Amino acid sequence: GAGVSQSPSNKVTEKGKDVELRCDPISGHTALYWYRQSLGQGLEFLIYFQGNSAPDKSGLPSDRFSAERTGGSVSTLTIQRTQQEDSAVYLCASSFRGSGVNEQFFGPGTRLTVL
Amino acid sequence: KQEVTQIPAALSVPEGENLVLNCSFTDSAIYNLQWFRQDPGKGLTSLLLIQSSQREQTSGRLNASLDKSSGRSTLYIAASQPGDSATYLCAVRRAGTALIFGKGTTLSVSS
Repeated sequence: GAGVSQSPSNKVTEKGKDVELRCDPISGHTALYWYRQSLGQGLEFLIYFQGNSAPDKSGLPSDRFSAERTGGSVSTLTIQRTQQEDSAVYLCASSFRGSGVNEQFFGPGTRLTVL
Repeated sequence: KQEVTQIPAALSVPEGENLVLNCSFTDSAIYNLQWFRQDPGKGLTSLLLIQSSQREQTSGRLNASLDKSSGRSTLYIAASQPGDSATYLCAVRRAGTALIFGKGTTLSVSS
């Protein structure tokens, strides 16, 4: 596809369950970002992948959150033992570092609801 | 720590008005600034990106300016239309880092 895609679009889970959220970046984009948008809060950075470099995990709120990026393309954000405060929209973005512009393009997001 | 503030938080205008949305940031050492639009229940659409060396960017009825030294950016929307109703987000980034967002301005344009 031409844009960033995310799946699922909606996820409802029970407290304590693990969830996996997927992001497919724009083909050729070397940088991939995960953000979270909670109700009433702004968008907050979670984790950033750039090529083969070690990811910047400084935004992850707890050790229940982890992410990986396989083959420099698809990324999966995993939340273990979900809590109600994890309910939010999780947004993925990608950019092409080589252009020098680094404009970030966002996917439609995954709305996570933890009951 | 970089903080981004957007004023006003909400704005209602009649169709046809020109309007200005404001964004301020505390650390002027930015690489670029991006303005986004977010419709309810949707992802973000990039509107304009201004590099730190630029003063403004234009796209159609939109014009964004950047004054890095004072830590300010404005988004000017000319001849507003009901279809412009959305939340507008400002975000800044330093080289090699992710975006830091403001909380947005929710715009409502009435016909």
